[in-house]
Amino acid sequence: DIQMTQSPSSLSAYVGDRVTITCRASQSISRSLSWYQQKPGKAPELLIYSASSLQSGVPSRFSGSASGTDFTLTINSLQPEDFATYSCLQSYSIPYTFGQGTKLQIK
Amino acid sequence: EVQLLESGGALVQPGGSLRLSCAASDFAFNNYAMSWVRQAPGKGLEWVSAISSSGDSTYYADSVTGRFTISRDNSRDTLFLEMNSLRAEDTALYYCAKMVTATSHLDHWGQGTLVTVSS
Repeated sequence: DIQMTQSPSSLSAYVGDRVTITCRASQSISRSLSWYQQKPGKAPELLIYSASSLQSGVPSRFSGSASGTDFTLTINSLQPEDFATYSCLQSYSIPYTFGQGTKLQIK
Repeated sequence: EVQLLESGGALVQPGGSLRLSCAASDFAFNNYAMSWVRQAPGKGLEWVSAISSSGDSTYYADSVTGRFTISRDNSRDTLFLEMNSLRAEDTALYYCAKMVTATSHLDHWGQGTLVTVSS
């Protein structure tokens, strides 16, 4: 199975900050990586797919990038509504696997 | 707008069975693969199973292989998850999610249905 190692597990930041969250795959997954945002009591929502494609309706302050087996979600100019948990998912190989999640909190 | 509505979650004893449903609307259900994803209380997301648009191909996580069966009825725009031999560790909120293909991202999610396995 492909392991997705996500870091950090938690992160504190100020409104207006730029933050990055990383997922590292245990083997090549091409660009089959997506990012999800989940707020308490709500279902996850797709932010980024194919490593760097922005889902329709998602603000442009969210971006994704890839370098080999390392994938990064960047949020520029954090807004109050961005404080949530973020998770990556590899859909390259069955079984699909999520990262452990990153809880982004207000500092 | 894509709508996914899960149902069927309940309190069930260990070793018991349950069938979850996910009613889809406002998109061409028969054109898209679908998945089930679960989230144990206070934990992260875990992919459980996926099915191709036609239903011909199915995929499972190791943790549920042999116990869970995914299926779909394209005439009723409904996705199912049959769960047998349930264990305490199956306790979770179960989400259904729409995929573009069976190897793609999950672009729309339902609100989930809660399964609790306890005596």
